[in-house]
Amino acid sequence: ETGVTQSPTHLIKTRGQQVTLRCSSQSGHNTVSWYQQALGQGPQFIFQYYREEENGRGNFPPRFSGLQFPNYSSELNVNALELDDSALYLCASSDSPHTGELFFGEGSRLTVL
Amino acid sequence: AQRVTQPEKLLSVFKGAPVELKCNYSYSGSPELFWYVQYSRQRLQLLLRHISRESIKGFTADLNKGETSFHLKKPFAQEEDSAMYYCALTSGNTPLVFGKGTRLSVIA
Repeated sequence: ETGVTQSPTHLIKTRGQQVTLRCSSQSGHNTVSWYQQALGQGPQFIFQYYREEENGRGNFPPRFSGLQFPNYSSELNVNALELDDSALYLCASSDSPHTGELFFGEGSRLTVL
Repeated sequence: AQRVTQPEKLLSVFKGAPVELKCNYSYSGSPELFWYVQYSRQRLQLLLRHISRESIKGFTADLNKGETSFHLKKPFAQEEDSAMYYCALTSGNTPLVFGKGTRLSVIA
């Protein structure tokens, strides 16, 4: 059984740039949730994708967008990067959109300069 | 709105001492509560959920709806318990909401 994998693990961008983060879900899972974790904070829900459709969104601006592909892998895109976007971005997969049992990747650490 | 509060950022205990990590929540419906743990250099992982009422690695947690709490307890702390612990809540139809976490440090 393959776990959740994320790429890249680390990246540095400058303000105004765009970034794409990738996530491969665990085998058999059809739901991907993305979280932002700032330093010293708990994970904050960005959005969830279920069977290629957005299935819920947290309090994040529209410049945060996502995709889910037929193989249930997912992308998180952030446009017009701001300094406050610097954080660890966590992807989590699950076998249902209505479960609290999430399987997390190791995260992508984004630094915006 | 759902909210999870973990009042302690850091909790230090001696090996063999009892541990209690506090979690309070606000939610008007029927919540599902979870504890997640992140050991050093490892990914965030589920520790236990209130529905299963199980003991994992010696940890237990009881949902107290009257006090809106879901404290995590272990009678005798071990050094390998040192980690970051997050309490989380969902209603089943809402995304999982996390608290800010408590860092447990077990001192030998």
